[in-house]
Amino acid sequence: NAGVTQTPKFQVLKTGQSMTLQCAQDMNHNSMYWYRQDPGMGLRLIYYSASEGTTDKGEVPNGYNVSRLNKREFSLRLESAAPSQTSVYFCASTRRGYTDTQYFGPGTRLTVL
Amino acid sequence: GESVGLHLPTLSVQEGDNSIINCAYSNSASDYFIWYKQESGKGPQFIIDIRSNMDKRQGQRVTVLLNKTVKHLSLQIAATQPGDSAVYFCAEPGEATSGSRLTFGEGTQLTVNP
Repeated sequence: NAGVTQTPKFQVLKTGQSMTLQCAQDMNHNSMYWYRQDPGMGLRLIYYSASEGTTDKGEVPNGYNVSRLNKREFSLRLESAAPSQTSVYFCASTRRGYTDTQYFGPGTRLTVL
Repeated sequence: GESVGLHLPTLSVQEGDNSIINCAYSNSASDYFIWYKQESGKGPQFIIDIRSNMDKRQGQRVTVLLNKTVKHLSLQIAATQPGDSAVYFCAEPGEATSGSRLTFGEGTQLTVNP
């Protein structure tokens, strides 16, 4: 089992560019999450998908969109990147809901110039 | 608002010593707490969890203590090893209005000196 995988590992964008962060899990989990991690801020939830076909906003959804492509994959899109979106992005999954153990991917380090 | 916080941002210990990492929480309705370990350049990794109907839970070299009276939990690591050097987070379920999410503390950086 690869667990949770994320691509790319690193990305540099210019302000206004768009990109999609990819996440996949092979554990047959129902719920998937996108977090951002900033120094001194801890992990903050951007969007989550409780099950295939559903998505909901988290704490900091502005500037992002998500797609739960199928049970395995959950992508995060930045339509027009801003320097404030410079962060490390983590995808996670749980078998059921958020009180289950969350399994995290290795992260994507994004810099927006 | 409700928050999860850590008392100390950094902790430095000698190899072989026991480590204690503390966490204060403010949501008295929380019934579940989790500790995560995050090594440099990696995603958080689940260590241990505890339900509010328990005071103590033990894992391999780790023990979590929960004191609901003062809304405090701690993570104890026995015989700390260099591989334990990482940032440790506590987390609790967010408020009902916040949706399906965990609230994470900022983290404590544990450094183990050889």
